[in-house]
Parts: sequence; C-alpha cells; structure tokens
Amino acid sequence: GQQLNQSPQSMFIQEGEDVSMNCTSSSIFNTWLWYKQDPGEGPVLLIALYKAGELTSNGRLTAQFGITRKDSFLNISASIPSDVGIYFCAGPLDYKLSFGAGTTVTVRA
Amino acid sequence: DGGITQSPKYLFRKEGQNVTLSCEQNLNHDAMYWYRQDPGQGLRLIYYSQIVNDFQKGDIAEGYSVSREKKESFPLTVTSAQKNPTAFYLCASSSTIDRGAAFFGQGTRLTVV
Repeated sequence: GQQLNQSPQSMFIQEGEDVSMNCTSSSIFNTWLWYKQDPGEGPVLLIALYKAGELTSNGRLTAQFGITRKDSFLNISASIPSDVGIYFCAGPLDYKLSFGAGTTVTVRA
Repeated sequence: DGGITQSPKYLFRKEGQNVTLSCEQNLNHDAMYWYRQDPGQGLRLIYYSQIVNDFQKGDIAEGYSVSREKKESFPLTVTSAQKNPTAFYLCASSSTIDRGAAFFGQGTRLTVV
C-alpha cells in the first residue's frame, strides 16, 4: 500500500506564483527523490536528496530532506506554464522504490 | 548516449495473448523495476530486481512475469492471467536499490482489445 503521503493532491498555479508540495511518511528514509511526469511520458528526475537537512536547488526548484528523515518538500518559484504536470516524491523502503500518489499541477484559467 | 529504453512505445494485443515488453539500460545499474500506471493514478510496483538472476514481486505481481538474465535487460511479460492489462507500463533502473536515484524509460502503452 501507499506509504508515502503526498499533498496536495492537486493544485492550480498562476504564472509567476511560488508553489509548494510535500511528502510525509511514518517510516524513515535515507533518500528522497522528486520527479515530474508529462502526459504520456516517463517521470523525469528533478532532485535527489541523500542527507537529512539537505536543501538542494535545481533552477527554480528547491527541495529539502526533513531533519526527522520522514518528510520532504518541493518548492517551485516563479512558476511558468511548462511547470504543469504531475510531481511525484519517491524513496527506497524495504528494498523497494516507493512513490507518493502525485501532485497534479494545472494552470489556473 | 546512456539511458534506459523501452520498446515499443505503443502495443496492441488481443485478449488472451501473452505479450512481452522490453526494457534495456546501458547505465550499468544493478537495480531495475517495472511499474504500472493507470489513468490519473500513481505508480504501482509490479516487479523489481536488485541484481542479475534475482527478482522480487512488488505490490501487484499477479498476472505478470519477469526475467533478469543480463544486467542490461529486464523484460516484462503480461500474461493472459492478468485481468485488466490495459495500462501504461514504466521501467526504471538505479545504481543501487537503497540509495541510487532511479531513471525511467519513456513507457509502453499497452492496449488489449
């Protein structure tokens, strides 16, 4: 079953806004991964985090590995239309790579 | 170019037929995975392999089979026992199963008619 709780489930963005999503678990992780998936394509790795407290940026994206090792968040600054898609958090647990249910980002009309 | 390749991109099969989806990687990764994704849904793990000649069932293995005879290859067979095989199938690989980031192929959309 789902061991990574990702929120929000969906969000609407307006160009220029900053957006944030997070992932929590009752289990401890030693790696947190964030992916983006466009329709009909495979997920693309955005950021990988390997150390508790680590804060890593990739362009307008910033992700942090929570101190408790049970959570992580992803921020997108100054969003643009091509940021729409589904964002997944993931991490290895019990020798399996598990995924959150995803956050669907849509442009606000 | 290093990467992970799935083929074909689209696949159509008649109900009751077995079908094999290809996944090849040249990243020298030890671990490989197969996921299933249904419309508007997340990724569900079918099978995974930590090393050559070894593989384990994931959360939804029933009706599927895999082999890992070579490090580079991890084919998935969707058998006639799979009740609802129409889905988007994703293959991924990582250097190690407990730390390495996983990289995905482009996916295979299987439609059973």
